[in-house]
Amino acid sequence: NAGVMQNPRHLVRRRGQEARLRCSPMKGHSHVYWYRQLPEEGLKFMVYLQKENIIDESGMPKERFSAEFPKEGPSILRIQQVVRGDSAAYFCASSPPIGGDFYEQYFGPGTRLTVT
Amino acid sequence: AQSVSQHNHHVILSEAASLELGCNYSYGGTVNLFWYVQYPGQHLQLLLKYFSGDPLVKGIKGFEAEFIKSKFSFNLRKPSVQWSDTAEYFCAVNGGGSYIPTFGRGTSLIVHP
Repeated sequence: NAGVMQNPRHLVRRRGQEARLRCSPMKGHSHVYWYRQLPEEGLKFMVYLQKENIIDESGMPKERFSAEFPKEGPSILRIQQVVRGDSAAYFCASSPPIGGDFYEQYFGPGTRLTVT
Repeated sequence: AQSVSQHNHHVILSEAASLELGCNYSYGGTVNLFWYVQYPGQHLQLLLKYFSGDPLVKGIKGFEAEFIKSKFSFNLRKPSVQWSDTAEYFCAVNGGGSYIPTFGRGTSLIVHP
């Protein structure tokens, strides 16, 4: 049973470029969460999605950041016109449908974004 | 809004020493509690969780945690640490039916052989 998959694992972008981070949830999971981790800090929630719906984006910056989870394919976190402050590790997590272990999240390996 | 405090940001121990990492949260209702571990260069893995029932929870690799409702605490313990326990440890809390866990800042544990 494959776990949560993220790619790329490492991404280098110049200032002003776009970054696209992909997350494939565990099989059978319909909920996806994106987090950002900065050095010496914990995980900061960014956005929570179900298939084709954004449920909660309260942690996502209003500008330059967007996320989607289409009916087919992985969830995408998109950062436009990246700046140095966007350099961080971005983690995706997934959880099963409501009921059972819904509240337990399974994390991917993360994408380390470096903006030069 | 709920918050999670991990008081020890950096802990250094020798092998075989006992470990206790503190976690306090600020939500008065029903909570789900988690401890995650992040080994160097790896993703977060679930160590243990509490949803209901016995407040003393056993996890993987000899870890346990005790939920003390009156103290709003969920401290992580291990009687004898190993060098391989060197990692970052995160406490997380879901409260009030929220789908979004709040994570503590994390505790960096270094175990010297």
